[in-house]
Amino acid sequence: DSGVTQTPKHLITATGQRVTLRCSPRSGDLSVYWYQQSLDQGLQFLIQYYNGEERAKGNILERFSAQQFPDLHSELNLSSLELGDSALYFCASSAGLAGVTDTQYFGPGTRLTVL
Amino acid sequence: DAKTTQPNSMESNEEEPVHLPCNHSTISGTDYIHWYRQLPSQGPEYVIHGLTSNVNNRMASLAIAEDRKSSTLILHRATLRDAAVYYCILRDAGGTSYGKLTFGQGTILTVHP
Repeated sequence: DSGVTQTPKHLITATGQRVTLRCSPRSGDLSVYWYQQSLDQGLQFLIQYYNGEERAKGNILERFSAQQFPDLHSELNLSSLELGDSALYFCASSAGLAGVTDTQYFGPGTRLTVL
Repeated sequence: DAKTTQPNSMESNEEEPVHLPCNHSTISGTDYIHWYRQLPSQGPEYVIHGLTSNVNNRMASLAIAEDRKSSTLILHRATLRDAAVYYCILRDAGGTSYGKLTFGQGTILTVHP
């Protein structure tokens, strides 16, 4: 158990809909990262937040957005969903501002299926 | 980001050592070498990291070539629980995007009883 929790575990929805994925980092961790894992693209970094502020952006679509709240939990919002958004979404956390030796601890993921 | 190359798959027998190679010929002087693994149906987990010297921890050892163009993750005695996808990742201490982990395809390790 990494200490990172993600809800829900599974989500099935239809194209065009909007969903929210939630992540609670390990106690004391200030950085939260979101990754997407699909069969064709592999594991890809989406976005990082540190203590409530966006710090780095990866291949995140404009239809996707995220935020980190004062209690440090984070939410990833996916809107106007398409079939291709079906994937595993992982949240990870680390203690600091992602120094190069910071370990990232991953949650169990949310499996999103868009029908 | 500097690129890593790993074999698609490797096999091992339980209780035997496993050497997982990674080539990173374009590595820069400020790149750290990290290894993560992903067990079936789980999120990735940290294994080990190093810069220049060989490293040991309770999970594995990391052997880094003198020219740093390659490295090897060593599992001293493979168990069935070590069956996973192993990712070799370079993280640049000198860059501004050092927060993210850039995953390649990794090596699928199969462990036979």
